[in-house]
Amino acid sequence: QSVLTQPPSVSGAPGQRVTISCTGSSSNIGAAYGVHWYQQLPGTAPKLLIYGNSNRPSGVPDRFSGSKSGTSASLAITGLQAEDEADYYCQSYDLSLSGSVFGGGTKLTVL
Amino acid sequence: EVQLVQSGAEVKKPGESLKISCMGSGYSITNYFIAWVRQMPGKGLEWMGIIYPDDSETRYSPSFQGQVTISADKSISTAYLQWSSLKASDTAMYYCARLAGEVSDFDYWGQGTLVTVSS
Repeated sequence: QSVLTQPPSVSGAPGQRVTISCTGSSSNIGAAYGVHWYQQLPGTAPKLLIYGNSNRPSGVPDRFSGSKSGTSASLAITGLQAEDEADYYCQSYDLSLSGSVFGGGTKLTVL
Repeated sequence: EVQLVQSGAEVKKPGESLKISCMGSGYSITNYFIAWVRQMPGKGLEWMGIIYPDDSETRYSPSFQGQVTISADKSISTAYLQWSSLKASDTAMYYCARLAGEVSDFDYWGQGTLVTVSS
């Protein structure tokens, strides 16, 4: 059971918009720690996609966006492309555990 | 260019010891933390712990405390993850990743080291 809760899977057709939620608690997301998102393509290492709730590293398309409200965060992907098919993970810091925590991951399928 | 390069895949027997490495380049390793992350087959990411190579201060996830040891040698820009007695349940991909602070994002990742423990 992960400290941060994500849906196991989401899907969408090419060109559509999908969102992935990440629900935490008052000891992590709700404690004002930043939420970060990672994309893991099959057989590869995770890659930073969004940092500090809503910031994109250089090179990440603006089709990817992040937001946070209260004890939850969301990743939105617009204009879905086949190459977006991957696993997506949220991550934050947990005050009670004194360490980083990940969501369980969400598998995105592009139909 | 920032890079984290990890040591190669390992196949070990239960009870054996193992030390894997993660070498940073393209930045000053003493200014960043290095984290270790486990990914068991078909499963998600799990934070194991972090080290600050400048002073070797270390923090462990409660799930991994006492099970592994994280260390670093800043003179060769390298962090390590080691086991004294491997179990079959340690079979997983292990990633190192860089972070600017304890609460920060993991901005660069190593390519992963696959550890297989089987009799």
